[in-house]
Amino acid sequence: SAVISQKPSRDICQRGTSLTIQCQVDSQVTMMFWYRQQPGQSLTLIATANQGSEATYESGFVIDKFPISRPNLTFSTLTVSNMSPEDSSIYLCSVAPRAKGTEAFFGQGTRLTVV
Amino acid sequence: GDSVTQMEGPVTLSEEAFLTINCTYTATGYPSLFWYVQYPGEGLQLLLKATKADDKGSNKGFEATYRKETTSFHLEKGSVQVSDSAVYFCAHIQGGSEKLVFGKGTKLTVNP
Repeated sequence: SAVISQKPSRDICQRGTSLTIQCQVDSQVTMMFWYRQQPGQSLTLIATANQGSEATYESGFVIDKFPISRPNLTFSTLTVSNMSPEDSSIYLCSVAPRAKGTEAFFGQGTRLTVV
Repeated sequence: GDSVTQMEGPVTLSEEAFLTINCTYTATGYPSLFWYVQYPGEGLQLLLKATKADDKGSNKGFEATYRKETTSFHLEKGSVQVSDSAVYFCAHIQGGSEKLVFGKGTKLTVNP
């Protein structure tokens, strides 16, 4: 299994500011994923982060708004830039299955409220 | 494209009632299937999984069987407890990638 530490666990931020969320894994992993969970909704994939290359963003998400870093095989950050109240969500990082069919592991999530 | 359709909630049951949460999927081939659970204020945890047709995943009294003929993976529990109150997500791995495709989630509340 993989243990994922995500921080901060929650934050309240002013609109127009930026927040960086950190995700630390206890083992080396090739792929990490960032998800957004809006209130009462399911998880939506924001981007896939591979070490040594630029993140791949899903439709509707752009690098200027959600820049991602992946400096090594155990760490990644997601920044939510120029925040608005619509960005209020839970943000979760996840690591990819080690082998086909095995489960993905998730951090505890960051509950972001933008006021 | 790949998708997961999950029974809409919320679902409210009394303790010891029987639970079914329906889940069907659309995917290429035979993907691995998962049920994740999110307890209040927490992240997602894997509840159970099945990797091939007719497999039955089970954990904590919950069960789900991979039915390829109906492309379904319904979650069941014979006797729910108050501690089962959570949001349940059905998911599968998107074909050709390692991305998870989630259903919309079903909120379960169990009353004593």
